[in-house]
Amino acid sequence: DTAVSQTPKYLVTQMGNDKSIKCEQNLGHDTMYWYKQDSKKFLKIMFSYNNKELIINETVPNRFSPKSPDKAHLNLHINSLELGDSAVYFCASSQDRGRVGEQYFGPGTRLTVT
Amino acid sequence: DQQVKQNSPSLSVQEGRISILNCDYTNSMFDYFLWYKKYPAEGPTFLISISSIKDKNEDGRFTVFLNKSAKHLSLHIVPSQPGDSAVYFCAASRYTGANSKLTFGKGITLSVRP
Repeated sequence: DTAVSQTPKYLVTQMGNDKSIKCEQNLGHDTMYWYKQDSKKFLKIMFSYNNKELIINETVPNRFSPKSPDKAHLNLHINSLELGDSAVYFCASSQDRGRVGEQYFGPGTRLTVT
Repeated sequence: DQQVKQNSPSLSVQEGRISILNCDYTNSMFDYFLWYKKYPAEGPTFLISISSIKDKNEDGRFTVFLNKSAKHLSLHIVPSQPGDSAVYFCAASRYTGANSKLTFGKGITLSVRP
């Protein structure tokens, strides 16, 4: 059983389009995250949610909007896609909020904007 | 502003030898450090962690050393195996706090030659 799953694995789209990436975890964790790994290979946190509550919102353009329908799901919607949005996006989850510990990552979604 | 630095992009070692992966940090508020391993087309997986109250933590073939005065940590893998070939990310955080988050380095690619 996959602990943290993401769909789709690959996403190729044109500038200006709107797209979504879905994430689900079956670990019973309370906290979920979205990370972006850009061309320089840094993994940078974008958002974190705890029990559907937004906890961390880094300086991400408001074209990016996370949505958490329940604590097992955290989806990422991106409006008006730009070339610079091309990256690998990772979803992750962890048990504890307020105590950073081991995080479990999904396999990533490679987004290519043309 | 890179708060976690992995200055060597790659390392190649012979199977059976020791692999030493280094990581430096600049933020003196960091008190919890983790190493993640990542295979191609997969998400990072947690490897080992260390709290700032310790200077060493061991788990099987993996040992992490922390030198707080130098703001430096290292991951030792002994003996190295071909299956250890992967990208290794160092991460750091303040362990507690409502907005605790992981700050990652850009990773080191380890190649273990048979």
